[in-house]
Amino acid sequence: GAVVSQHPSWVICKSGTSVKIECRSLDFQATTMFWYRQFPKQSLMLMATSNEGSKATYEQGVEKDKFLINHASLTLSTLTVTSAHPEDSSFYICSGELVTGELFFGEGSRLTVL
Amino acid sequence: AQSVSQHNHHVILSEAASLELGCNYSYGGTVNLFWYVQYPGQHLQLLLKYFSGDPLVKGIKGFEAEFIKSKFSFNLRKPSVQWSDTAEYFCAVKGKAAGNKLTFGGGTRVLVKP
Repeated sequence: GAVVSQHPSWVICKSGTSVKIECRSLDFQATTMFWYRQFPKQSLMLMATSNEGSKATYEQGVEKDKFLINHASLTLSTLTVTSAHPEDSSFYICSGELVTGELFFGEGSRLTVL
Repeated sequence: AQSVSQHNHHVILSEAASLELGCNYSYGGTVNLFWYVQYPGQHLQLLLKYFSGDPLVKGIKGFEAEFIKSKFSFNLRKPSVQWSDTAEYFCAVKGKAAGNKLTFGGGTRVLVKP
């Protein structure tokens, strides 16, 4: 199957700093990528839909100024958590969508904000 | 709004037992249905999917699922589980009228005792 890779897989940062997470589709071009957040022992919640070359579409309740998404190429989308606070600590997962509609997920990035 | 419901949060069973995980969705119209598995410490992997055709879908690792349109259900089954099936299982639904966004159920944590 298709491969999606995230980097970093684990990041610890101080409160108030910004953190960038990269999501790459390694062997396919993803016009659309999705960013999810997963709290401990909970399901994945869609944060935003990232479309190559255009602005991301955010789900209700997700602050677009806090979670900046850039999808500059067909193989790379980035999520930047700006001015991170402890409540932003979570597991962030991206997925790339094939033309068939099937999604492939990255390994996830665990963010811990001290 | 589209929602996905998984009936069991936790399931504990012994090896060789049969497994059935329930999944119901609220949304009508054309849908694509998925089951994903997340093994401890790993990323989401696709077990199987239904887009159209035969409502009984066979996936990897001996799993299968049956789409029953009248019941808005897509239950996952495995006749005989192994210890290595210990994981969290997520049902997910994507529908055109909901913007083709993948909505996840709450997940079911399965523990198979050796």
